[in-house]
Amino acid sequence: AQTVTQSQPEMSVQEAETVTLSCTYDTSENNYYLFWYKQPPSRQMILVIRQEAYKQQNATENRFSVNFQKAAKSFSLKISDSQLGDTAMYFCAFMGDQTGANNLFFGTGTRLTVIP
Amino acid sequence: KAGVTQTPRYLIKTRGQQVTLSCSPISGHRSVSWYQQTPGQGLQFLFEYFSETQRNKGNFPGRFSGRQFSNSRSEMNVSTLELGDSALYLCASSLDAGGSTEAFFGQGTRLTVV
Repeated sequence: AQTVTQSQPEMSVQEAETVTLSCTYDTSENNYYLFWYKQPPSRQMILVIRQEAYKQQNATENRFSVNFQKAAKSFSLKISDSQLGDTAMYFCAFMGDQTGANNLFFGTGTRLTVIP
Repeated sequence: KAGVTQTPRYLIKTRGQQVTLSCSPISGHRSVSWYQQTPGQGLQFLFEYFSETQRNKGNFPGRFSGRQFSNSRSEMNVSTLELGDSALYLCASSLDAGGSTEAFFGQGTRLTVV
């Protein structure tokens, strides 16, 4: 079974600074996908960034980037130039690459607060 | 284009009753997944439907069921409600299967069982 672990329940960062959220996972699969989702107070889950395990290059989306270490099964999210709108719960998630396994396994989340 | 729509947004039910939640996916999306979110258990996968067929199921009792219609709209039903069923129920739709396509989430239905 897949497990996703987020060891930081809460974090805070000053506006315009950089913060890194940690995530580790466990799987026996070789091909899979990893995600970071953001859940603001509105409750809607929003995809922040996605990484395919077979790609060695770390994914980047504007101010968001990941550090994907496949051997260590680590997938951290770096947010640069933090903005007040980044305040939210952040969930790390795993999805296998098997047909009929289109479900996400989520970590317990990290509550990020951006301080003005 | 319109996003994923979940109705109702809020619901209060009594123990022992049953409830039906609805999810309208983004037009053209054939995969609909349901998740339960609680403070204690976090986000847990309930089931996934693809082209009207349940393709994958999480570890929930048989009181939780679902279905998908030919227009890809999905419903989930919970019978004989228990206090522990109080949760935010999230629906996600995607164009096709697997992590290569993005899953879009609705705003959820907040179910309170009293």
